[in-house]
Amino acid sequence: DQQVKQNSPSLSVQEGRISILNCDYTNSMFDYFLWYKKYPAEGPTFLISISSIKDKNEDGRFTVFLNKSAKHLSLHIVPSQPGDSAVYFCAATLYNNNDMRFGAGTRLTVKP
Amino acid sequence: DSGVTQTPKHLITATGQRVTLRCSPRSGDLSVYWYQQSLDQGLQFLIQYYNGEERAKGNILERFSAQQFPDLHSELNLSSLELGDSALYFCASSVDGRSDEQFFGPGTRLTVL
Repeated sequence: DQQVKQNSPSLSVQEGRISILNCDYTNSMFDYFLWYKKYPAEGPTFLISISSIKDKNEDGRFTVFLNKSAKHLSLHIVPSQPGDSAVYFCAATLYNNNDMRFGAGTRLTVKP
Repeated sequence: DSGVTQTPKHLITATGQRVTLRCSPRSGDLSVYWYQQSLDQGLQFLIQYYNGEERAKGNILERFSAQQFPDLHSELNLSSLELGDSALYFCASSVDGRSDEQFFGPGTRLTVL
């Protein structure tokens, strides 16, 4: 039961350009969404989150957009840097419910 | 380095066997979470412990069990192993159980032959 889907397994972007990673969810009860970044041989690292009461949250080069009606969220990275190359996981949960559901991940490659 | 340690890094075993994965949370963190990442699946939440007590349960099979000890380290026990149990198993910890403040360990790669 894949309640969180990342339909693009990979994305390649030129350094300095915008990276847009997409995520769809099916459970309308989810009210808290997170993005994690994962480098090889390391565990995922929390990147940015958004509550369902917002439609945008920004942290430096990273912005997450939430479209509740479409059950869609996206992560924008501007400008993209080679160090951003990693696997990005989208996750969703009911706030304070720790059964967090993750997508399958999108591998981002930023080319110099 | 997240401060969460997991042992062993790699484990190769045969079907039908039983293994134990170990996790030490960050100093001061009371909550431990276990996740499974299979080849083409996202991270699947298995179970959470908070200060020694089970707090939340996800997609954990009956063949799997976990516990958190008084020193707050946790063990995930996998028994009657099947080929499909081959995966990366991550442990994460947090201070008070909030989802966005989870810090992940490097994972244990389990291969069942």
